[in-house]
Amino acid sequence: DQQVKQNSPSLSVQEGRISILNCDYTNSMFDYFLWYKKYPAEGPTFLISISSIKDKNEDGRFTVFLNKSAKHLSLHIVPSQPGDSAVYFCAANDQTGANNLFFGTGTRLTVIP
Amino acid sequence: NAGVTQTPKFRILKIGQSMTLQCAQDMNHNYMYWYRQDPGMGLKLIYYSVGAGITDKGEVPNGYNVSRSTTEDFPLRLELAAPSQTSVYFCASSYEFSYGYTFGSGTRLTVV
Repeated sequence: DQQVKQNSPSLSVQEGRISILNCDYTNSMFDYFLWYKKYPAEGPTFLISISSIKDKNEDGRFTVFLNKSAKHLSLHIVPSQPGDSAVYFCAANDQTGANNLFFGTGTRLTVIP
Repeated sequence: NAGVTQTPKFRILKIGQSMTLQCAQDMNHNYMYWYRQDPGMGLKLIYYSVGAGITDKGEVPNGYNVSRSTTEDFPLRLELAAPSQTSVYFCASSYEFSYGYTFGSGTRLTVV
Protein backbone atom coordinates (compact mmCIF):
# COMPACT_ATOMS: atom_id res chain seq x y z
CA ASP A 1 0.00 0.00 0.00
CA GLN A 2 1.70 3.15 -1.26
CA GLN A 3 1.45 5.81 1.44
CA VAL A 4 3.25 8.42 -0.65
CA LYS A 5 2.17 8.82 -4.24
CA GLN A 6 3.59 10.65 -7.21
CA ASN A 7 1.04 10.25 -9.95
CA SER A 8 3.08 11.79 -12.76
CA PRO A 9 5.88 9.45 -13.84
CA SER A 10 7.40 12.10 -16.09
CA LEU A 11 7.42 15.83 -16.80
CA SER A 12 9.05 17.86 -19.57
CA VAL A 13 9.66 21.59 -19.21
CA GLN A 14 11.45 24.20 -21.29
CA GLU A 15 14.58 25.73 -19.84
CA GLY A 16 13.79 28.88 -17.89
CA ARG A 17 10.18 27.92 -17.18
CA ILE A 18 8.73 26.63 -13.93
CA SER A 19 8.71 22.92 -13.08
CA ILE A 20 6.00 21.74 -10.68
CA LEU A 21 6.25 18.26 -9.23
CA ASN A 22 3.38 16.93 -7.15
CA CYS A 23 3.08 14.45 -4.31
CA ASP A 24 0.16 13.12 -2.28
CA TYR A 25 0.18 11.14 0.93
CA THR A 26 -2.38 9.12 2.84
CA ASN A 27 -0.96 8.81 6.35
CA SER A 28 -2.13 11.70 8.53
CA MET A 29 0.67 10.93 11.00
CA PHE A 30 3.32 12.11 8.56
CA ASP A 31 4.71 15.40 9.76
CA TYR A 32 7.94 15.84 7.88
CA PHE A 33 8.40 15.80 4.11
CA LEU A 34 11.45 15.73 1.93
CA TRP A 35 12.36 15.86 -1.73
CA TYR A 36 15.27 13.89 -3.12
CA LYS A 37 16.88 14.18 -6.51
CA LYS A 38 18.43 11.18 -8.26
CA TYR A 39 20.73 11.03 -11.26
CA PRO A 40 21.29 7.73 -13.11
CA ALA A 41 23.74 5.35 -11.40
CA GLU A 42 23.83 7.50 -8.28
CA GLY A 43 22.06 7.41 -4.95
CA PRO A 44 19.33 9.94 -4.16
CA THR A 45 20.53 13.25 -2.74
CA PHE A 46 18.58 15.44 -0.36
CA LEU A 47 17.12 18.55 -1.96
CA ILE A 48 14.70 20.31 0.36
CA SER A 49 12.36 19.53 3.23
CA ILE A 50 9.38 20.95 5.07
CA SER A 51 7.88 20.42 8.47
CA SER A 52 4.13 20.16 8.92
CA ILE A 53 4.14 23.35 11.00
CA LYS A 54 4.96 25.28 7.82
CA ASP A 55 3.20 25.59 4.50
CA LYS A 56 6.18 26.78 2.48
CA ASN A 57 9.93 26.40 2.48
CA GLU A 58 12.25 28.04 0.00
CA ASP A 59 15.87 27.37 -0.91
CA GLY A 60 17.16 29.26 -3.90
CA ARG A 61 15.36 28.07 -7.03
CA PHE A 62 13.51 25.38 -5.09
CA THR A 63 10.31 25.89 -3.12
CA VAL A 64 8.20 23.24 -1.44
CA PHE A 65 4.55 23.89 -0.62
CA LEU A 66 2.55 21.80 1.84
CA ASN A 67 -1.25 21.61 2.00
CA LYS A 68 -1.99 19.47 5.05
CA SER A 69 -5.75 19.48 4.65
CA ALA A 70 -5.38 18.06 1.15
CA LYS A 71 -2.44 15.84 2.12
CA HIS A 72 -0.58 17.28 -0.84
CA LEU A 73 2.81 18.81 -1.40
CA SER A 74 4.54 20.20 -4.42
CA LEU A 75 8.04 21.15 -5.46
CA HIS A 76 8.52 24.23 -7.63
CA ILE A 77 11.74 24.81 -9.53
CA VAL A 78 12.16 28.29 -10.98
CA PRO A 79 13.82 28.81 -13.37
CA SER A 80 14.35 25.26 -14.57
CA GLN A 81 17.80 24.39 -15.87
CA PRO A 82 18.99 21.43 -17.97
CA GLY A 83 21.04 20.22 -14.97
CA ASP A 84 17.77 19.77 -13.08
CA SER A 85 16.91 16.83 -15.34
CA ALA A 86 16.70 13.90 -12.93
CA VAL A 87 14.22 11.71 -11.07
CA TYR A 88 12.64 13.44 -8.09
CA PHE A 89 11.35 11.45 -5.14
CA CYS A 90 8.98 12.72 -2.51
CA ALA A 91 9.39 11.18 0.95
CA ALA A 92 7.65 11.45 4.30
CA ASN A 93 8.01 10.34 7.88
CA ASP A 94 6.44 10.82 11.28
CA GLN A 95 9.73 11.53 13.05
CA THR A 96 9.23 8.77 15.54
CA GLY A 97 10.92 5.45 16.00
CA ALA A 98 13.75 4.93 13.58
CA ASN A 99 13.25 7.97 11.37
CA ASN A 100 12.02 5.70 8.58
CA LEU A 101 11.19 7.42 5.32
CA PHE A 102 8.39 6.39 2.98
CA PHE A 103 9.11 7.20 -0.64
CA GLY A 104 6.95 7.94 -3.64
CA THR A 105 7.57 6.27 -7.00
CA GLY A 106 9.38 9.27 -8.46
CA THR A 107 8.86 11.76 -11.29
CA ARG A 108 11.38 12.00 -14.10
CA LEU A 109 11.93 15.65 -14.96
CA THR A 110 13.40 16.58 -18.31
CA VAL A 111 14.38 20.19 -18.86
CA ILE A 112 14.65 20.94 -22.55
CA PRO A 113 17.33 23.48 -23.53
CA ASN B 1 34.85 12.61 3.18
CA ALA B 2 33.46 9.35 1.78
CA GLY B 3 29.91 9.45 3.21
CA VAL B 4 28.18 6.13 2.54
CA THR B 5 30.12 3.54 0.56
CA GLN B 6 28.46 0.51 -1.01
CA THR B 7 30.18 -2.46 -2.59
CA PRO B 8 29.91 -4.03 -5.07
CA LYS B 9 28.33 -1.69 -7.62
CA PHE B 10 27.10 -4.53 -9.82
CA ARG B 11 26.59 -8.23 -9.30
CA ILE B 12 24.98 -11.12 -11.14
CA LEU B 13 23.88 -14.07 -9.02
CA LYS B 14 22.48 -17.43 -9.97
CA ILE B 15 19.26 -18.61 -8.35
CA GLY B 16 20.02 -20.15 -4.97
CA GLN B 17 23.38 -18.43 -4.48
CA SER B 18 24.08 -16.19 -1.51
CA MET B 19 25.94 -12.91 -1.19
CA THR B 20 26.55 -10.00 1.13
CA LEU B 21 26.11 -6.38 0.10
CA GLN B 22 28.49 -4.19 2.02
CA CYS B 23 27.68 -0.73 3.39
CA ALA B 24 29.95 1.53 5.41
CA GLN B 25 29.55 5.12 6.59
CA ASP B 26 32.12 7.44 8.12
CA MET B 27 29.82 10.13 9.51
CA ASN B 28 29.22 8.48 12.89
CA HIS B 29 25.51 8.20 12.11
CA ASN B 30 23.50 6.06 14.47
CA TYR B 31 20.77 5.12 12.01
CA MET B 32 21.35 3.01 8.93
CA TYR B 33 18.93 1.63 6.37
CA TRP B 34 18.68 -0.71 3.43
CA TYR B 35 16.24 0.08 0.64
CA ARG B 36 15.51 -1.59 -2.66
CA GLN B 37 14.23 0.13 -5.75
CA ASP B 38 12.40 -1.85 -8.40
CA PRO B 39 11.75 -0.36 -11.86
CA GLY B 40 8.98 2.25 -11.74
CA MET B 41 8.64 1.89 -8.01
CA GLY B 42 9.65 3.93 -5.01
CA LEU B 43 12.25 2.85 -2.53
CA LYS B 44 11.07 0.15 -0.17
CA LEU B 45 12.65 -0.31 3.26
CA ILE B 46 14.17 -3.75 3.83
CA TYR B 47 15.87 -3.44 7.22
CA TYR B 48 17.07 -0.67 9.46
CA SER B 49 19.27 -0.21 12.49
CA VAL B 50 19.17 2.45 15.19
CA GLY B 51 22.61 1.61 16.53
CA ALA B 52 25.23 -1.09 16.88
CA GLY B 53 23.64 -4.37 17.89
CA ILE B 54 20.09 -3.24 17.10
CA THR B 55 18.28 -4.10 13.87
CA ASP B 56 14.66 -4.33 12.83
CA LYS B 57 12.55 -5.27 9.83
CA GLY B 58 11.16 -2.80 7.35
CA GLU B 59 8.43 -3.25 4.72
CA VAL B 60 10.06 -6.01 2.64
CA PRO B 61 12.47 -8.06 4.83
CA ASN B 62 11.77 -11.56 3.48
CA GLY B 63 14.82 -13.22 1.96
CA TYR B 64 17.29 -10.87 3.65
CA ASN B 65 19.26 -10.63 6.86
CA VAL B 66 21.35 -7.88 8.42
CA SER B 67 23.77 -7.36 11.24
CA ARG B 68 25.20 -4.25 12.87
CA SER B 69 28.29 -5.08 14.88
CA THR B 70 29.80 -1.58 14.55
CA THR B 71 28.45 1.93 14.06
CA GLU B 72 30.16 2.14 10.67
CA ASP B 73 29.06 -1.08 8.95
CA PHE B 74 25.66 -2.46 8.03
CA PRO B 75 25.92 -5.45 5.65
CA LEU B 76 22.87 -6.96 3.95
CA ARG B 77 22.87 -10.71 3.42
CA LEU B 78 20.89 -12.45 0.69
CA GLU B 79 20.35 -16.15 1.27
CA LEU B 80 19.10 -18.38 -1.56
CA ALA B 81 18.80 -15.62 -4.16
CA ALA B 82 15.58 -15.51 -6.19
CA PRO B 83 14.73 -13.60 -9.41
CA SER B 84 12.34 -11.43 -7.36
CA GLN B 85 15.41 -10.00 -5.62
CA THR B 86 16.65 -8.46 -8.86
CA SER B 87 16.73 -4.78 -7.94
CA VAL B 88 18.91 -1.80 -7.11
CA TYR B 89 19.84 -1.73 -3.45
CA PHE B 90 20.59 1.49 -1.61
CA CYS B 91 22.14 1.85 1.79
CA ALA B 92 21.58 5.08 3.71
CA SER B 93 22.43 6.60 7.05
CA SER B 94 21.11 9.42 9.17
CA TYR B 95 21.75 11.15 12.43
CA GLU B 96 19.04 10.51 14.98
CA PHE B 97 15.89 12.36 13.96
CA SER B 98 17.85 14.33 11.41
CA TYR B 99 16.33 15.94 8.38
CA GLY B 100 17.21 13.31 5.84
CA TYR B 101 19.39 10.49 4.75
CA THR B 102 22.75 10.25 3.08
CA PHE B 103 22.57 7.54 0.44
CA GLY B 104 25.22 5.37 -1.09
CA SER B 105 25.48 5.07 -4.86
CA GLY B 106 23.68 1.73 -4.97
CA THR B 107 24.29 -1.91 -5.89
CA ARG B 108 22.60 -3.23 -9.00
CA LEU B 109 21.84 -6.92 -8.46
CA THR B 110 20.55 -9.31 -11.09
CA VAL B 111 19.47 -12.84 -10.19
CA VAL B 112 19.31 -15.25 -13.13
